[in-house]
Amino acid sequence: NAGVTQTPKFQVLKTGQSMTLQCAQDMNHNSMYWYRQDPGMGLRLIYYSASEGTTDKGEVPNGYNVSRLNKREFSLRLESAAPSQTSVYFCASSAQTGIYGYTFGSGTRLTVV
Amino acid sequence: GESVGLHLPTLSVQEGDNSIINCAYSNSASDYFIWYKQESGKGPQFIIDIRSNMDKRQGQRVTVLLNKTVKHLSLQIAATQPGDSAVYFCAESQFGNEKLTFGTGTRLTIIP
Repeated sequence: NAGVTQTPKFQVLKTGQSMTLQCAQDMNHNSMYWYRQDPGMGLRLIYYSASEGTTDKGEVPNGYNVSRLNKREFSLRLESAAPSQTSVYFCASSAQTGIYGYTFGSGTRLTVV
Repeated sequence: GESVGLHLPTLSVQEGDNSIINCAYSNSASDYFIWYKQESGKGPQFIIDIRSNMDKRQGQRVTVLLNKTVKHLSLQIAATQPGDSAVYFCAESQFGNEKLTFGTGTRLTIIP
């Protein structure tokens, strides 16, 4: 089925460890986004990529890096995980920036201990 | 700072009744609003959107109302069904702006 695929679905890290969250979409969308969701905080934008080859910071970029590998894939990297990064991470895509019929992935639940 | 908030964090509605979920926004420059539905363990799903040049927009069993005077929008769900149980988020932006600001969500529970 067409959509946004995120891997892994669950992950437990120790403080200081690094990892990369993978995201791929097969809808030929230009724009891709990474959000984190914390209880009582709604979704907050970490980074986005308006098109292949471009990335920009969102509301909460500290502690994260991203790579828009190609049009399909947009990865999020935690270089040195901290307990404050315990959250559910969602990748989303849209046909173009400013068109907000986003398609979201099913999320990655990350726990940093 | 600018924010989008919800009046009630939880709402319980009898199956078959109509439900209304409210949302207030503070950015007077916002001109594009969206409602998302998030079921447990899933990502948010787009429901309906509205631009600031409209007061009302209808979809299948859902209606969004926008009151720009008091910076308020609502989502009305008609004849609620068990599958409507979810967390509903409003979000706002300026059309064409990449940054979408989400509210904290309202949990809707449908009582059989």
